[in-house]
Amino acid sequence: LAKTTQPISMDSYEGQEVNITCSHNNIATNDYITWYQQFPSQGPRFIIQGYKTKVTNEVASLFIPADRKSSTLSLPRVSLSDTAVYYCLVGDMGDDKIIFGKGTRLHILP
Amino acid sequence: DVKVTQSSRYLVKRTGEKVFLECVQDMDHENMFWYRQDPGLGLRLIYFSYDVKMKEKGDIPEGYSVSREKKERFSLILESASTNQTSMYLCASSTVAGGPGDTGELFFGEGSRLTVL
Repeated sequence: LAKTTQPISMDSYEGQEVNITCSHNNIATNDYITWYQQFPSQGPRFIIQGYKTKVTNEVASLFIPADRKSSTLSLPRVSLSDTAVYYCLVGDMGDDKIIFGKGTRLHILP
Repeated sequence: DVKVTQSSRYLVKRTGEKVFLECVQDMDHENMFWYRQDPGLGLRLIYFSYDVKMKEKGDIPEGYSVSREKKERFSLILESASTNQTSMYLCASSTVAGGPGDTGELFFGEGSRLTVL
């Protein structure tokens, strides 16, 4: 089971680019990396998923180095509404469990 | 849009009561999950199901059971509620993943906040 490690919390300001890094040293060859966003009193929602190199969508970019032992979620020009908890997940080949870590609480300041 | 609906947003129960939390999804997803979320602990997987009448234990199944009689419905049961089961409960569903290690995309309900007195 590939565990993940993320910073507990981060602060940033409106208009800045925010990068949240996740460590997953035991990632398996076929594992994918997925990020979710959770607002207060709501369930998490999918942001982005990748396997290697770089993935970009309308919300974020995901950077994965060649060794895949870490990944970085990049949020361009954040706003106050990006204040949320961000979870990094790594696919578990073993038994189909989908395990969330404790996430990173991102607080955007005006 | 995919919709995952949890039957109750807020419940208050007494110790020893039997509690049913219902979850329904409308996108014909194979996989369904129950998590609980507590401050400082993130989301922890209780049970999941990848087919009707199939269930698998997650990381914290003790004190809980589940039922999946129909594909769209996954119920979480607390046979005898205790105060340490006070928590936010989140249901999710997903399609069959693309392959080993691909978790697919999880769709979550809005959560059920349970208080056990």
